[in-house]
Parts: sequence; C-alpha cells; structure tokens
Amino acid sequence: AQSVTQLDSHVSVSEGTPVLLRCNYSSSYSPSLFWYVQHPNKGLQLLLKYTSAATLVKGINGFEAEFKKSETSFHLTKPSAHMSDAAEYFCVVSGLLSYGKLTFGQGTILTVHP
Amino acid sequence: DSGVTQTPKHLITATGQRVTLRCSPRSGDLSVYWYQQSLDQGLQFLIQYYNGEERAKGNILERFSAQQFPDLHSELNLSSLELGDSALYFCASSFRSKGNNEQFFGPGTRLTVL
Repeated sequence: AQSVTQLDSHVSVSEGTPVLLRCNYSSSYSPSLFWYVQHPNKGLQLLLKYTSAATLVKGINGFEAEFKKSETSFHLTKPSAHMSDAAEYFCVVSGLLSYGKLTFGQGTILTVHP
Repeated sequence: DSGVTQTPKHLITATGQRVTLRCSPRSGDLSVYWYQQSLDQGLQFLIQYYNGEERAKGNILERFSAQQFPDLHSELNLSSLELGDSALYFCASSFRSKGNNEQFFGPGTRLTVL
C-alpha cells in the first residue's frame, strides 16, 4: 500500500521569498515520487519526478525536491516565489513494482502575495 | 499542452442519465488512465488500460465502465448518474504500463449532474 500526506493545505508567501511545500510518503516498496501542479481551471502538469537516481531532483520553473528516505519525505522548494507560481500542488506516489496507478496527496494551495 | 485531448470540456446532465467521456492519448503512449477529482474525495484513480487491455482498477463504481479501442483512444462511460458524480474527470497517458513512468494529463472534462 502507498500513501502521501501533504502537511499543509494552504501556504502563503510573498513574491521573492522562498517556497516550501511539505510531503511525507508511505510505500511498501521503493517508490517513485512526483510533484504535479494544477493552475486554476487547467489540467495537471508534471513539475519533477524522483525515480531512485539522485536524491535531489530539479524540475521546471526553478522548483526542486529532495528525497529523504530516513524521514520518508519529499518536500518541494523554490528559492524565490513568483506570482505565476500561485496554484495547487500535488505530491504523488507510484510503486515501482505496481501498475502505473498514481496516489495523490490532498493538495497544497500556494498563494503568492505581491 | 500535454498532447492528451479530452472531449467534451464541459458536460451538464440530469440524474439517471448516461454520458460518455472521450480521451485521446499522446502519440506513442499505450497506457491510458482515468482519474476523478472532487472536492470531498480529492484526486482518485479509477482505471487503467494498456494497449486495449484493462490493467488496474481503483475506486471505480460499478455504474462506471471504460474501454480502450484499437486506435488507443479511450472512453469512460458513466451511467445512472447521481448528484455525487459531479466532478472533474481527467485522462492521463504514458508509454509504459508500470512503475515510474510519468503520466501526462489532459485538460479534463467537468461533469455537472443536476
């Protein structure tokens, strides 16, 4: 069984300040982990993925995430928020040995203030 | 643009009715997934097809069914609709059927049941 917990339902930052969106996962096997972003009235876009290579993963638009097995965490960060980053972010887990079902966290809504 | 297309974009219907949602995967992708996004349940996996065959089932109701055709497009059929079926339905596609393959999401079909 696999699951993800996003620790914050809402995060609010000022433009130009760092972003931290927290995610803890649970998986019976070595997981694949993803972050997806959903802008209002849009589909889901992949930001980055971890698949057991480097533990620090770089994604699009300046986002990165670090896989920490000891903490079962996969937090998403960005050094400097931009207004266009305002969206809902989903931490997602998929088991390497399972069919491609994705298990989504409940989502974190990121608000960016000018 | 992910390359995954979904039609229609919006669908408004009445309780008890039946609707069909259509999805065309990215060129070259063999796997199609269906997800439901609702306010109370979040994003949930419904079903996966790979090259025409069902590969995995999630929280899909018996009133719902899907298939993948030889040209790899997929349809999700929802029958005896209830108010609670109102949701955003996403289709996603990937090349492989298992594990760490990233999925590309379509823009979704918003279903409203009145």
